[in-house]
Amino acid sequence: EIVLTQSPTTMAASPGEKVTLNCLASSSVSYMNWYQQKSGASPKLWIYGTSNLASGVPNRFSGSGSGTSYSLTISSMEAEDVATYYCLQLSSYPLTFGSGTKLEIK
Amino acid sequence: EVQLVETGGGLVQPGRSLKLSCVASGFTFNNYWMSWTRQAPGKGLEWVASITNSGGSTYYPDSVKGRFTISRDNAQNTLYLQMNSLRSEDTATYYCTRDRIIRGTGYYVMDAWGQGASVTVSS
Repeated sequence: EIVLTQSPTTMAASPGEKVTLNCLASSSVSYMNWYQQKSGASPKLWIYGTSNLASGVPNRFSGSGSGTSYSLTISSMEAEDVATYYCLQLSSYPLTFGSGTKLEIK
Repeated sequence: EVQLVETGGGLVQPGRSLKLSCVASGFTFNNYWMSWTRQAPGKGLEWVASITNSGGSTYYPDSVKGRFTISRDNAQNTLYLQMNSLRSEDTATYYCTRDRIIRGTGYYVMDAWGQGASVTVSS
């Protein structure tokens, strides 16, 4: 089983601040997907194939990485970005999610 | 508009069974793989099961293998999750997802999620 470790677990950023969320895989994966989940809502596909933004995702978001190390970056934090972000690997079964990074605003 | 509506959740005693349903609309159901993912209260996401578009193949993590069964009725546009021998650790919100490969990329995504069905396993 591929274990995904996300860091940090929780973080707070000021409006306009650059934010980087990390996802480390225990074995190499082909690509990473990211999901955004706001409080009380269902998750939404946010980034797929490591670096492709899902429909409607603002271009202040970006994704990068390869092998075992992946990241999601927000170039300039906005209040609407407050959420928990999960990485998901689909390279092998069982499919596994990271434990999530809760992003708050200062 | 793609819609996934889960039903069948509720309170069940340990060791008993429960069957969730997910009715799909807004897309051609039999063209898509489907999955169930769950989220325990205050916790993260955990993949539970997947099924191919024909229903011919299914996939499970060890945590539910042998207890849960995913199935589908393409004529009724409905996905199911039969849960047997339920345990307290199965308490969660269960989400139905539509799965697909993004055309031209080969990337597999769970691109649509239902609102979730709450399952509580407790005596």
